[in-house]
Amino acid sequence: DQQVKQNSPSLRVQEGRISILNCDYTNSMFDYFLWYKKYPAEGPTFLISISSIKDKNEDGRFTVFLNKSAKHLSLHIVPSQPGDSAVYFCARSGAGSYQLTFGKGTKLSVIP
Amino acid sequence: NAGVTQTPKFRILKIGQSMTLQCTQDMNHNYMYWYRQDPGMGLKLIYYSVGAGITDKGEVPNGYNVSRSTTEDFPLRLELAAPSQTSVYFCASSPTPRGNQPQHFGDGTRLSIL
Repeated sequence: DQQVKQNSPSLRVQEGRISILNCDYTNSMFDYFLWYKKYPAEGPTFLISISSIKDKNEDGRFTVFLNKSAKHLSLHIVPSQPGDSAVYFCARSGAGSYQLTFGKGTKLSVIP
Repeated sequence: NAGVTQTPKFRILKIGQSMTLQCTQDMNHNYMYWYRQDPGMGLKLIYYSVGAGITDKGEVPNGYNVSRSTTEDFPLRLELAAPSQTSVYFCASSPTPRGNQPQHFGDGTRLSIL
């Protein structure tokens, strides 16, 4: 049962434009959703999170939106930069568990 | 500040061999985790620890063992390596399990079982 789904394996965006990465979930019990960014041969690094009681969180160029009725969240990157090219993972925390439940990831390529 | 350090970075094992993946953190975090990532998949939790001397199974614990004798170290042991254990292994730590205090990850150990 894939509880956190990232349905787009890859995304290509022109430099300076907006990147939108999407994540759907099935279990409504959660504490936070987190976005991690991963470069090749490195570990995931934390990017931004959103609490279950909020619908938006912003940090510089990164904004995460949470739509609880649709069980959907999205990460917006504006403006996109070539250094943003990486794999982005959506992860759910909480629901009585110590673990993070990860999606399969979306590979973002920002084209100069 | 080193954060989470994993060794080795790469290893090739033969079927049936054993090895220990090392993980150490210098952030004084109580919580530590081992994940594996298979190609095209998200990370899955193998084992976790809530403090020295306390460990518990995650989603995919079969074929692995862990110990936590100190706050800093959380080694992962493979006793009888099998091809299905070919994966990239990530160790992580956090001060609490709450999502508002994110897990910090090491750079991973790429393990191939042949």
